[in-house]
Amino acid sequence: QKEVEQNSGPLSVPEGAIASLNCTYSDRGSQSFFWYRQYSGKSPELIMSIYSNGDKEDGRFTAQLNKASQYVSLLIRDSQPSDSATYLCAVTRNQGGKLIFGQGTELSVKP
Amino acid sequence: GAGVSQSPSNKVTEKGKDVELRCDPISGHTALYWYRQRLGQGLEFLIYFQGNSAPDKSGLPSDRFSAERTGESVSTLTIQRTQQEDSAVYLCASSPPGRGYGSEQYFGPGTRLTVT
Repeated sequence: QKEVEQNSGPLSVPEGAIASLNCTYSDRGSQSFFWYRQYSGKSPELIMSIYSNGDKEDGRFTAQLNKASQYVSLLIRDSQPSDSATYLCAVTRNQGGKLIFGQGTELSVKP
Repeated sequence: GAGVSQSPSNKVTEKGKDVELRCDPISGHTALYWYRQRLGQGLEFLIYFQGNSAPDKSGLPSDRFSAERTGESVSTLTIQRTQQEDSAVYLCASSPPGRGYGSEQYFGPGTRLTVT
């Protein structure tokens, strides 16, 4: 079992729709959770961080965390073609800061 | 302000040669990380520096890999006797002081290493 799992996709949504990206993790000691966006040929860009159960909203992005279910998700409202990228879920334990990444979900937003 | 910078942006080397990759973190960031991303793969943790503490080297794949950091500034990742499987993008990230259990990491543009 991988430590952090994501559906590889591609996930295709029409412009203006809500894109829902999911991530599960195996280590119950994980404390910090991050979503990164990675355009093809570019480095990861941090878009959301979440540390407590519940929802965290930032503009069109909402991160949701459920530690009991070991599940974290990212919702993108009003999806735009510019949101087309690979979205990486990453988690850390409390002893150190190294990130454990999922393989990423490729999102394609069709005009 | 300036982000994380890395050099060179691209490096082509022959199998068996040594290479050095450089990372300049964001000013004021105390933690520095190296990751590797093979083509079409996720990111693999390599090594982590936090202030004056001993680095976490648990992700280094072999003793051909080493890294140094001077204080809270520049870091160099060295790969000796490069192999073709070392071909990847090497990414550096830094994070500010604050949360003890892992604060937000900001990535540089990466160095694309190709071993021929």
